[in-house]
Amino acid sequence: DIQMTQSPSSLSASVGDRVTITCRASQSISSYLNWYQQKPGKAPKLLIYGASYLQSGVPSRFSGSGSGTDFTLTISSLQPEDFATYSCQQSYSTLYTFGQGTKVEIK
Amino acid sequence: QVQLQESGPGLVKPSETLSLSCAVSGYSISSGYFWGWIRQPPGKGLEWIGSIFHSGTTYYNPSLKSRVTIPVERSKNQFSLNLSSVTAADTAVYYCARAPYYSHSDGHFRPYYFDYWGQGALVTVSS
Repeated sequence: DIQMTQSPSSLSASVGDRVTITCRASQSISSYLNWYQQKPGKAPKLLIYGASYLQSGVPSRFSGSGSGTDFTLTISSLQPEDFATYSCQQSYSTLYTFGQGTKVEIK
Repeated sequence: QVQLQESGPGLVKPSETLSLSCAVSGYSISSGYFWGWIRQPPGKGLEWIGSIFHSGTTYYNPSLKSRVTIPVERSKNQFSLNLSSVTAADTAVYYCARAPYYSHSDGHFRPYYFDYWGQGALVTVSS
């Protein structure tokens, strides 16, 4: 199995802050890395696919980078609606695995 | 606009079979894409259960493979999840989702990412 490890598990930030979340794969997954945002009681929402491609309709303050084993999700200027849990997911192996999630809270 | 909607019992007894359906609107499931299920135990992370290609090819999570099937009802434009011999550990919110595909280096099509999701269905396993 490919293990996906996110850091940090949680963070506190203020509106306007630049936020970076890291996801590390236990082996190379090329660029088959996706990011999702999830709010309480709601389904996950796709933000980034293929490590760096912005899903249609997602604000440009979200960006993704990385390849191989190390990936980053960046929110350039945190907005009130961005407080949520973010999860990465690899689609390289036939056992699709998610990271444990990073909860972004209001400081 | 593509929409997915889960339905099924919210309470299942231990050792019985959990059955959920996912009705798809706005797109014919026979036309393309992978269609699958992901679950989330209360307070925990997401776990992929399995996905089925429009052609019938399936991928299942090995940890659940012996208990899972994902049948498709093309006439109703829906697919289902059957999870047998459930225990309390199967208590979770179950999501159905659509996945565009890519061609892997092994020559097979694989789910790429999950772009449309249902709203989720909470299933509790309890006697």
